Amino acid sequence: DAGVTQSPTHLIKTRGQHVTLRCSPISGHKSVSWYQQVLGQGPQFIFQYYEKEERGRGNFPDRFSARQFPNYSSELNVNALLLGDSALYLCASSLVIGGNTEAFFGQGTRLTVV
Amino acid sequence: AQTVTQSQPEMSVQEAETVTLSCTYDTSENNYYLFWYKQPPSRQMILVIRQEAYKQQNATENRFSVNFQKAAKSFSLKISDSQLGDTAMYFCAFTAAAGNKLTFGGGTRVLVKP
Repeated sequence: DAGVTQSPTHLIKTRGQHVTLRCSPISGHKSVSWYQQVLGQGPQFIFQYYEKEERGRGNFPDRFSARQFPNYSSELNVNALLLGDSALYLCASSLVIGGNTEAFFGQGTRLTVV
Repeated sequence: AQTVTQSQPEMSVQEAETVTLSCTYDTSENNYYLFWYKQPPSRQMILVIRQEAYKQQNATENRFSVNFQKAAKSFSLKISDSQLGDTAMYFCAFTAAAGNKLTFGGGTRVLVKP
């Protein structure tokens, strides 16, 4: 069975540009969450989607947006990139939402803003 | 808001020995879940062990066990018979029962020496 897949694995962008990161959840999983992990720190929650609706948002500026598609895949968009947006972006999927549901993580997208 | 604190930035242990990682958390929730995740250099977060707050019994998964002290809001991880493959970053995480937004600590780097 395929796990959570994220694309691309690495990318380099210039300040002010826009980026789109993609995530395909495990088959049958209806919830996708996004996390930002700055080097040397723990992941920070950005968004959670369940059944194509936003169910949670972390403390990130409006430059960050996301959506979930009918096939439950998801995109994370970041506009007007700043150097501080350089990080590993992790996607996690789960069957449903709820603390007793295990979240499975992808290998992340390493974004470097120069 | 919930917070998770890991006070040990780095721990080293000899192969086959035991190491204990500390984690404290703060929450006003009564029903929640606690986790330990492992993040090897491959970057993918892997669930090591999970504890439901309403369960008195400490969780155990093979060589991994926890010491959950609810009143003290403490959740430590013990790795027994350490193996070279245990070398990784370890993150303590919290989620309320109603959702699966994860709040992570800052991580502890574990180095297993041969």
